Amino acid sequence: DAKTTQPTSMDCAEGRAANLPCNHSTISGNEYVYWYRQIHSQGPQYIIHGLKNNETNEMASLIITEDRKSSTLILPHATLRDTAVYYCIVRVNYGGSQGNLIFGKGTKLSVKP
Amino acid sequence: NAGVTQTPKFQVLKTGQSMTLQCAQDMNHNSMYWYRQDPGMGLRLIYYSASEGTTDKGEVPNGYNVSRLNKREFSLRLESAAPSQTSVYFCASSYRIGTNEKLFFGSGTQLSVL
Repeated sequence: DAKTTQPTSMDCAEGRAANLPCNHSTISGNEYVYWYRQIHSQGPQYIIHGLKNNETNEMASLIITEDRKSSTLILPHATLRDTAVYYCIVRVNYGGSQGNLIFGKGTKLSVKP
Repeated sequence: NAGVTQTPKFQVLKTGQSMTLQCAQDMNHNSMYWYRQDPGMGLRLIYYSASEGTTDKGEVPNGYNVSRLNKREFSLRLESAAPSQTSVYFCASSYRIGTNEKLFFGSGTQLSVL
């Protein structure tokens, strides 16, 4: 699976959009980009995933560059409850199971009042 | 739906003791996983089970054994606990519909080996 690079930490003001970048320059054509987050002491929670088109759901939007070498997770109106570690993961989504998700260290997002 | 349930939530062991971490899911998922998370680190995969009756090693399987008892349950056993196994352990399960696959995690087991 392709390796990802994320900033160690970011701050965001409550009510503002949080934009979390992720570089995955070695991504291959059939690898999906997944985002999970982990609120302190809890198990990680799925947020969103995509292949090459931008995606949006009730939690966030995912913007993937045309060359697919980077992506941005957008939380449109961050709240204090969005303070968490956000993991960007790329993996091949064919056959088998999602057994080889490599979570890395992620980005610690702190939403401040 | 309870989702993914792990027991116990906390456990303290002495070096050399054995124990089994239990995990059950009520979402009818085929795949189940065990991860460990050390301070300041991401999650590392210990073992996974793609379906009932199958198990495979992940990144860090040494010192652990697993059993996929049935579709619902996936247990992790430490035969002879070592201080290096002090960690938070997460169980997860997943479903897949087309290209949409999601992992669902339990709330974790905090294990200390003295």
